[in-house]
Amino acid sequence: GQQVMQIPQYQHVQEGEDFTTYCNSSTTLSNIQWYKQRPGGHPVFLIQLVKSGEVKKQKRLTFQFGEAKKNSSLHITATQTTDVGTYFCAGPRETSYDKVIFGPGTSLSVIP
Amino acid sequence: SAVISQKPSRDICQRGTSLTIQCQVDSQVTMMFWYRQQPGQSLTLIATANQGSEATYESGFVIDKFPISRPNLTFSTLTVSNMSPEDSSIYLCSVGQGYYNEQFFGPGTRLTVL
Repeated sequence: GQQVMQIPQYQHVQEGEDFTTYCNSSTTLSNIQWYKQRPGGHPVFLIQLVKSGEVKKQKRLTFQFGEAKKNSSLHITATQTTDVGTYFCAGPRETSYDKVIFGPGTSLSVIP
Repeated sequence: SAVISQKPSRDICQRGTSLTIQCQVDSQVTMMFWYRQQPGQSLTLIATANQGSEATYESGFVIDKFPISRPNLTFSTLTVSNMSPEDSSIYLCSVGQGYYNEQFFGPGTRLTVL
């Protein structure tokens, strides 16, 4: 069945270091979405990517969608303690486009 | 984006009892989704709640265990029935918005079953 995978599962970085999480889908996706969940909070939608090779930036966050539309990455430049949380990628269900399948997430810890 | 509230925010329950979680949206939506997030895990879709029809359950989830109501376009409830400690999780409702169905979540209900 359809799978969405993310690596790494956990990442601990020193404040100021960069961070990257990678998302891989077993199927081609029409779009990919990224969410952030702070500790004790709920997932919050960050961004969506639609076009092959698309790159979008939100301040220190850079999101990329692969050429084959099966992978994506989120890169954070110069991490801050406010970046702590779990980052999930998600894409439409292969069998039902009105539903979303989430990756397992990458948990980011930032050491001050 | 839609504003979504959930009640209760957390609860501690005894095994064998049931808990009903409420989800309220500030606008009318066609579909509402119920997710479960076990500790340290990702989001698993339980069911889709459609107004005027029965909920659609995902594999591994059944109506007897997780009955859902959807009386109107802004409200839904999820009941966790005959609870066991394995039901201890965060339960989240969400709505999809935008062309690509971006998910907007309620704050979640943190359930502990003893």
